[in-house]
Amino acid sequence: AQTVTQSQPEMSVQEAETVTLSCTYDTSESDYYLFWYKQPPSRQMILVIRQEAYKQQNATENRFSVNFQKAAKSFSLKISDSQLGDAAMYFCAYRNFMYSGGGADGLTFGKGTHLIIQP
Amino acid sequence: ETGVTQTPRHLVMGMTNKKSLKCEQHLGHNAMYWYKQSAKKPLELMFVYSLEERVENNSVPSRFSPECPNSSHLFLHLHTLQPEDSALYLCASSRGWGGAGELFFGEGSRLTVL
Repeated sequence: AQTVTQSQPEMSVQEAETVTLSCTYDTSESDYYLFWYKQPPSRQMILVIRQEAYKQQNATENRFSVNFQKAAKSFSLKISDSQLGDAAMYFCAYRNFMYSGGGADGLTFGKGTHLIIQP
Repeated sequence: ETGVTQTPRHLVMGMTNKKSLKCEQHLGHNAMYWYKQSAKKPLELMFVYSLEERVENNSVPSRFSPECPNSSHLFLHLHTLQPEDSALYLCASSRGWGGAGELFFGEGSRLTVL
């Protein structure tokens, strides 16, 4: 079974600064997806960025970028120019590329990192 | 407007009550999911439906009963719940199952069992 570990329960950053959230995962698969989701106090889980494991190039979405290290099974999220609206819980998630049964569909989530933005 | 709508947003029930959570997706997806989110625990996948057929049931107690009458609607029927079942229940949908991409989530139903 796949596992996702987020070792930082809480992170704090000054507005306009850069912060990196860590995520590691464990899988025996070679093809899979990785995601970062954001959950603000409104509770809706919103996709921030996604990465296909077969792509070597790191994904980027505006101020959000990832550092994907497949061999190390590491998938960190960098937020540049932090804004107050970035304050939320951030979840790292894994999904198999192909369905394999046994509860393997859907996303496997880490416990989340609470990001605080200091004005 | 969110593509995945959940009702009610909040629900308080006694252990002997019977209630239902509803989820509706307007995205044309054919896979739907129920997740349980408890404090200080990772999100737990409960059920997966693909093309209205249940394809996953992750050892969820029988006091939770899902129903998927069509590809746009998903229900979670609740009966004789326990206080430890209090949590945020999230519904999600996707274009397909088996790694077709990201899941889209609703805002969740906050359940409190007294």
